[in-house]
Amino acid sequence: GDSVTQMEGPVTLSEEAFLTINCTYTATGYPSLFWYVQYPGEGLQLLLKATKADDKGSNKGFEATYRKETTSFHLEKGSVQVSDSAVYFCALTLNTGGFKTIFGAGTRLFVKA
Amino acid sequence: EAGVTQFPSHSVIEKGQTVTLRCDPISGHDNLYWYRRVMGKEIKFLLHFVKESKQDESGMPNNRFLAERTGGTYSTLKVQPAELEDSGVYFCASSQIEGGVGFFGQGTRLTVV
Repeated sequence: GDSVTQMEGPVTLSEEAFLTINCTYTATGYPSLFWYVQYPGEGLQLLLKATKADDKGSNKGFEATYRKETTSFHLEKGSVQVSDSAVYFCALTLNTGGFKTIFGAGTRLFVKA
Repeated sequence: EAGVTQFPSHSVIEKGQTVTLRCDPISGHDNLYWYRRVMGKEIKFLLHFVKESKQDESGMPNNRFLAERTGGTYSTLKVQPAELEDSGVYFCASSQIEGGVGFFGQGTRLTVV
């Protein structure tokens, strides 16, 4: 079935370090791909998205490129800040009646000052 | 503009009791989704309303869960009777167009003891 797999956390980094959170997917169709973020005490927020192969989504210094050949959508940021500490969810949406979103398990990121 | 709001933010109930969660979507959003995250695992789809009709309820775990959306406005998710494994965070999302990016509420953390 359709699924999303992302690296297990927690990930602990020092401020200004480079971040990569791996995400791969399995889908029967042609999905749109998303990264959501949940800051402490808040709801899920859309961070970035990509709707077709080779698209790059970017926001707040985060980037992810839709790689159809490797079925991946890895999240990267060149220099993390303490305020980036949150749980990050990779997700996909398929046009299979209802457009329900399938999420990965989430990766918790801790950034130390 | 108000976002998606969920009530309560936290609920602690005993096994066998009934709990009702509420979601108020963004005004004008016909599509409303319920998801839940259990035990730090992936966020899983429960069901999708289009206005007051259930478009897809394939993710509802069993008949102890009942979702309604009266008049196509707010939605409720009732768990009766609650079991220990129902503990988790229940998210609601709404979108204007089917398949559009959903705006998520902050979730209701349910603890069944």
